[in-house]
Amino acid sequence: NAGVMQNPRHLVRRRGQEARLRCSPMKGHSHVYWYRQLPEEGLKFMVYLQKENIIDESGMPKERFSAEFPKEGPSILRIQQVVRGDSAAYFCASSPKITGGNTEAFFGQGTRLTVV
Amino acid sequence: TQLLEQSPQFLSIQEGENLTVYCNSSSVFSSLQWYRQEPGEGPVLLVTVVTGGEVKKLKRLTFQFGDARKDSSLHITAAQPGDTGLYLCAGVYGSNYQLIWGAGTKLIIKP
Repeated sequence: NAGVMQNPRHLVRRRGQEARLRCSPMKGHSHVYWYRQLPEEGLKFMVYLQKENIIDESGMPKERFSAEFPKEGPSILRIQQVVRGDSAAYFCASSPKITGGNTEAFFGQGTRLTVV
Repeated sequence: TQLLEQSPQFLSIQEGENLTVYCNSSSVFSSLQWYRQEPGEGPVLLVTVVTGGEVKKLKRLTFQFGDARKDSSLHITAAQPGDTGLYLCAGVYGSNYQLIWGAGTKLIIKP
């Protein structure tokens, strides 16, 4: 059973380009979370998605950032017109369908975005 | 916004010392998890506590969930350099069972 797969592991973009980060959750998991982490800091929540629905996007900037989790295929975090301040590690986590309060999230290894 | 405050944010101690990391909130959580993250990697789940007052042990690590399920602590006995890392707590909250995260405690154990 493969874990959460994120790709690419490293992504370099020039200012103004688009960045697409992919996350394939663990098999059977229908919940996906995206987080951003700056060097030497903790995780900052961005968005929480279930299949085809955005549940909570309160941590995501209103402009240039979008996320989706289609019925088929990976979850995508898209950053348009990237700026240097977008440089960070972006982590995806998945959890199974919730049947109670014992939610456990499993993390991918992250995508390290560098904007030059 | 439900806040989960983690303290201290940073801790640097000598090998062999004991330490405690705290995770506090005014909200009640269905359960609470502790994760550890090493540089260049994603966080890895250490333990989940579900019942108020619950205590779980993982070798030299002791995790406790508060009686009211609003807070938790992680105690490390005789810390080793291999314990170095970022420790994160996350609480399960609300009807959507959303995970609410603390900001993390960066722990450095010096040999």
